[in-house]
Amino acid sequence: DAKTTQPNSMESNEEEPVHLPCNHSTISGTDYIHWYRQLPSQGPEYVIHGLTSNVNNRMASLAIAEDRKSSTLILHRATLRDAAVYYCILRDVYNAGNMLTFGGGTRLMVKP
Amino acid sequence: DAGVTQSPTHLIKTRGQQVTLRCSPISGHKSVSWYQQVLGQGPQFIFQYYEKEERGRGNFPDRFSARQFPNYSSELNVNALLLGDSALYLCASSRLPGGAGANVLTFGAGSRLTVL
Repeated sequence: DAKTTQPNSMESNEEEPVHLPCNHSTISGTDYIHWYRQLPSQGPEYVIHGLTSNVNNRMASLAIAEDRKSSTLILHRATLRDAAVYYCILRDVYNAGNMLTFGGGTRLMVKP
Repeated sequence: DAGVTQSPTHLIKTRGQQVTLRCSPISGHKSVSWYQQVLGQGPQFIFQYYEKEERGRGNFPDRFSARQFPNYSSELNVNALLLGDSALYLCASSRLPGGAGANVLTFGAGSRLTVL
């Protein structure tokens, strides 16, 4: 499986935008980019996914580089509830199973 | 709708004992996956079941086993517990067995196992 690289931690101020980067230089053409986050004392939670085009949903936006070797998860206005570990994960479209390969993720700290 | 429910939430065992963890998926979800999360690390895949059949197995010893019941609930069993088995055990359910598009996983809050 192609690997992802994320910063260990990031800090943000409340109500400011947050850009969480992810590098995936060995991504294949059939890999989707998925983001999950894990709030304290909870299981991971799906955030967003995309293949080539930028994506928006009620939680966040996903910006994908033209060469697909990197992507950025954008939280438009961080709240204290967004403090979590964010995981960037690649999933092959031909993967017949539900195995997700989690890395270390980025721990986002939000300051009031 | 109820989310993915796991039991027990916390348990303490001693080395050599056996443990059974339980998971009820979201109604309508036929796939259940199990993950182990050691403190400070991301979750690691253990097993996936779909329609009561094993669909995937991660790099875990044979001491780990699982099964899925006709109502799609699942159990994870770990025999001969070691100190290193101390972790958060997560269950995730999904409608489909795979596919990278809209088939997202919904995780439970986990069962925290401590082995003394």
